[in-house]
Amino acid sequence: DAKTTQPNSMESNEEEPVHLPCNHSTISGTDYIHWYRQLPSQGPEYVIHGLTSNVNNRMASLAIAEDRKSSTLILHRATLRDAAVYYCILAPNNNDMRFGAGTRLTVKP
Amino acid sequence: SAVISQKPSRDICQRGTSLTIQCQVDSQVTMMFWYRQQPGQSLTLIATANQGSEATYESGFVIDKFPISRPNLTFSTLTVSNMSPEDSSIYLCSVVGGELYGYTFGSGTRLTVV
Repeated sequence: DAKTTQPNSMESNEEEPVHLPCNHSTISGTDYIHWYRQLPSQGPEYVIHGLTSNVNNRMASLAIAEDRKSSTLILHRATLRDAAVYYCILAPNNNDMRFGAGTRLTVKP
Repeated sequence: SAVISQKPSRDICQRGTSLTIQCQVDSQVTMMFWYRQQPGQSLTLIATANQGSEATYESGFVIDKFPISRPNLTFSTLTVSNMSPEDSSIYLCSVVGGELYGYTFGSGTRLTVV
């Protein structure tokens, strides 16, 4: 199974950008890169996904390396409500979501 | 994207009993997914439920312990059978929210077995 590697935890200051890295050196051509986040006491929430090109939406940006072996989720301006566990997932054919340990993001006021 | 209603939101059950968790989606979906999240852990996929066919279980999960029903394209149930304290977890259902939205998750059922 394709797997991802993320730091266990990261800290950020409120109103500053946050770059959450994800390594996926065994990615295959049909694997989509998905990001979800889980706020305390809630189910996971979809953030963004992409295949080869960088993606932007209202929540975040996804920067995908040219060789696709790594990606970075960018929160442009962290707020206290962005404190959550962020999961980077490789989804074959945009399907089959299997969660790793994720990165716990702490946002400091 | 799809909206999921999951019931109950939480329950405390006696060991040896069973609990059925319901998942209702506001639109028709082909596949529904059931996950377990043990305390302090990430999510683990239990099974994939397609309407009109038997659910497909992941390694370590069996139908006798976690029977799943999928009677139509908007509804599914997961039963946790013959519960033990080790089954205390959050159980979540999920559907594909659409090509633009990834997966949508229910808010989960927090199960405590005593």
